[in-house]
Amino acid sequence: GNSVTQMEGPVTLSEEAFLTINCTYTATGYPSLFWYVQYPGEGLQLLLKATKADDKGSNKGFEATYRKETTSFHLEKGSVQVSDSAVYFCALRGGGAGGTSYGKLTFGQGTILTVHP
Amino acid sequence: EAQVTQNPRYLITVTGKKLTVTCSQNMNHEYMSWYRQDPGLGLRQIYYSMNVEVTDKGDVPEGYKVSRKEKRNFPLILESPSPNQTSLYFCASSLGRGYEVPNSPLHFGNGTRLTVT
Repeated sequence: GNSVTQMEGPVTLSEEAFLTINCTYTATGYPSLFWYVQYPGEGLQLLLKATKADDKGSNKGFEATYRKETTSFHLEKGSVQVSDSAVYFCALRGGGAGGTSYGKLTFGQGTILTVHP
Repeated sequence: EAQVTQNPRYLITVTGKKLTVTCSQNMNHEYMSWYRQDPGLGLRQIYYSMNVEVTDKGDVPEGYKVSRKEKRNFPLILESPSPNQTSLYFCASSLGRGYEVPNSPLHFGNGTRLTVT
């Protein structure tokens, strides 16, 4: 079956530092890839997505590129802020044959990010 | 406002007492799904529904039931809750028609924290 592996956390950074959160996946076919963010006490929100190889998703200064050759979708941000402190989840959707394959979504275990002033 | 609404936000119950967590969305989405979030395990899919009267098991369906009699509602039912079902539960929805599905991000509710003693 499909699987998603994220780098272990927690990650602690100073404001304006560079952020990388690694994500690798295992799937058949061509899944769509997503990063979600969860702020304390809230549900998950979409941060960015990429639906085919070499696509780059970007939002709020965060970027991730869909690398099929390395089955990776690493999240990066050039300069983090205190307000970026949250839990980040990598996820994939689909990747199998047939429409119902998109019913199943697989999430990584989440990476806690804390940014200090 | 487009949203997914879960109720209740917090629920404490005892082993064996049947309970229902409600989920409703106002975005006319075909697809709905339930997840549980546990520390170190990320989000795991319980059940999903591609449309009215169509439901399928996710990765951890044991001990749960769902129904999809109307497009907007997707309740999660625990017929006989046990302590290992203590968790944070999320409902989510997305577009679910054909070519839209792979690109469709999930919209999440704010979660239901369930404690079974």
